[in-house]
Order: sequence, then C-alpha cells, then structure tokens
Amino acid sequence: DVKVTQSSRYLVKRTGEKVFLECVQDMDHENMFWYRQDPGLGLRLIYFSYDVKMKEKGDIPEGYSVSREKKERFSLILESASTNQTSMYLCASSLVPLGGGAYNEQFFGPGTRLTVL
Amino acid sequence: RKEVEQDPGPFNVPEGATVAFNCTYSNSASQSFFWYRQDCRKEPKLLMSVYSSGNEDGRFTAQLNRASQYISLLIRDSKLSDSATYLCVVNGGMTTDSWGKLQFGAGTQVVVTP
Repeated sequence: DVKVTQSSRYLVKRTGEKVFLECVQDMDHENMFWYRQDPGLGLRLIYFSYDVKMKEKGDIPEGYSVSREKKERFSLILESASTNQTSMYLCASSLVPLGGGAYNEQFFGPGTRLTVL
Repeated sequence: RKEVEQDPGPFNVPEGATVAFNCTYSNSASQSFFWYRQDCRKEPKLLMSVYSSGNEDGRFTAQLNRASQYISLLIRDSKLSDSATYLCVVNGGMTTDSWGKLQFGAGTQVVVTP
C-alpha cells in the first residue's frame, strides 16, 4: 500500500514566519508534487520534482520554495508566510511511467491545513 | 478562463438513482483524463481513468468527447457511500515540460440521500 505522509495535519503560523511542510513517501516514487487546494479553485500545482535535487515550478510558485535532498522526502518552504497562503496543502507522489511522457496515478498525503494569522 | 471547469453542484441524488455530470477542458493537446474522488476532509484518490472509447467500472461510466472537449461521469444505482466531491483531472499534453503537470477541476459535489 502506497503511503504518503505529511508532517502536520493542522498548523497555525504568524505572518512573516518561515514555515516548513514535510512530505515523505514510502514507495520509491520518482515524482513528487506540492499542491494547494482552495474552495472554488481546485488543486493548484506549486512545485514538483522528478528526481532528487531536481525541481520544477508549477502554476503558482511565487512565495514558495522546495527542497528534495532524498528521494522519499519533498519539503515545501514558505520563506515569509502571509495570510493569503492560508490553505490546504497536499503532497502527492507518482512513479515515472514506462516510456516516459505519460501520466501515472498520483497518490496523495492527508494534507496540512495551514492558517497564517 | 479555468483550464478545467466543473459544475460545483451539489447534485442531490436519491439512493438508487442515476446521476451524471460533465467537465470541460480548454487544452486540446491534453492526452490523459481522469476522475478522482475526494471525501470530506480527505485527500483525493483516483476513481478511474477515462478512455476515448468510454469505459465502465462497476456502477461508474466515464466518457470522453474530444471534439467538444468534455468528460462525463455517470453513477448508476447511487449508494450513500458515493457522497463525495468528484474531481475532473486532465494532463497538460505530451511535451516534456508538461507531462508531469495535471490540471484539476474544482470538483462536483454529489450528495446521495436515503
């Protein structure tokens, strides 16, 4: 059973704080993703990584950075949290498809609900 | 304009009835299509892929219309446990910089009532 875990289910931070969200997957997946989910907007991709130390910007990378030092771990960093970063953050992982270029199922963690005051 | 648009609902469905809903997508180069299910306060999980010829998985039927760029999901004989939000998901096409990216709709809420 694929398991994706996230460090916290609920987090409350103050404006200007540095925030780390950790994600760990136990299935040796190459790809890892960070999304945020807001009502009416769906999931929006922040960053993704297809290999250790590799990262690619998603659709809304501003105000975020990521780190992937080990294959199983993908961290999302808010350098200086702001109230508009209050959201549900979801991490996901997937295998690289055979032959490349096509999609494989993404497995999601339980999410971290972040509130920035 | 959003890349994937869905009717947010809610669709209130009596137990045992059939419900169907669509989503539209804007990227004509999209190659892969999916429905994910998300229960309240839970993470999304893959429900089924959507193939050009249409496909069934038990009580669920998915259809793809490339010409009109929409995907549909039909649920027959609805169960109380089908109550959830259904997310329409489309990939960004086959270019190397887009294959990993998915576009998620905001979801259609289905509420099955006794």
